Amino acid sequence: KAGVTQTPRYLIKTRGQQVTLSCSPISGHRSVSWYQQTPGQGLQFLFEYFSETQRNKGNFPGRFSGRQFSNSRSEMNVSTLELGDSALYLCASSLDGYRTFGPGTRLTVT
Amino acid sequence: SQQGEEDPQALSIQEGENATMNCSYKTSINNLQWYRQNSGRGLVHLILIRSNEREKHSGRLRVTLDTSKKSSSLLITASRAADTASYFCATDEGSYGQNFVFGPGTRLSVLP
Repeated sequence: KAGVTQTPRYLIKTRGQQVTLSCSPISGHRSVSWYQQTPGQGLQFLFEYFSETQRNKGNFPGRFSGRQFSNSRSEMNVSTLELGDSALYLCASSLDGYRTFGPGTRLTVT
Repeated sequence: SQQGEEDPQALSIQEGENATMNCSYKTSINNLQWYRQNSGRGLVHLILIRSNEREKHSGRLRVTLDTSKKSSSLLITASRAADTASYFCATDEGSYGQNFVFGPGTRLSVLP
């Protein structure tokens, strides 16, 4: 069966712009979570959605937001981009605690 | 905040040797998982061990969990060059494991 897909895989944006990243979970998985990975901070939890509801949120500013659609696909949005938002953004879909990660979206903010 | 803390931060071994990585955490957990990541790509799930389990095997991988010491170890036996990657532990906290916290990872280099 298909794994977790993330689009786009690479993205270059300018400071002040906004960006939307997409994640399609494994069929049947209703939970999607997002993570930011940077060399300095490592892997940090952003938020988790289950059945279109945000179930948990990490310690990130309000510029980071997300949503989940009825087909379980999820999007995350970052507004007013800063240089420090350059990172690998990973999403994971889960079933029974087993999280399967997508390949990530590499965002570069210039 | 990062609960899981891996030790060592970096490990370099020869092919065929065993590699042991340790992970410590601070609060009660529902389960602990180990992941591998190659060169900044996506994370590959290796093994999940529940809080009521003490040891688990999967191929060349052996994971132990000591909840009294709040620590886990990942042993890779007979390492191969293809095992070169970063390894992360992650813990599930909260009543339904909603808080998923990664450690900083161990960078493993297996030299041919």
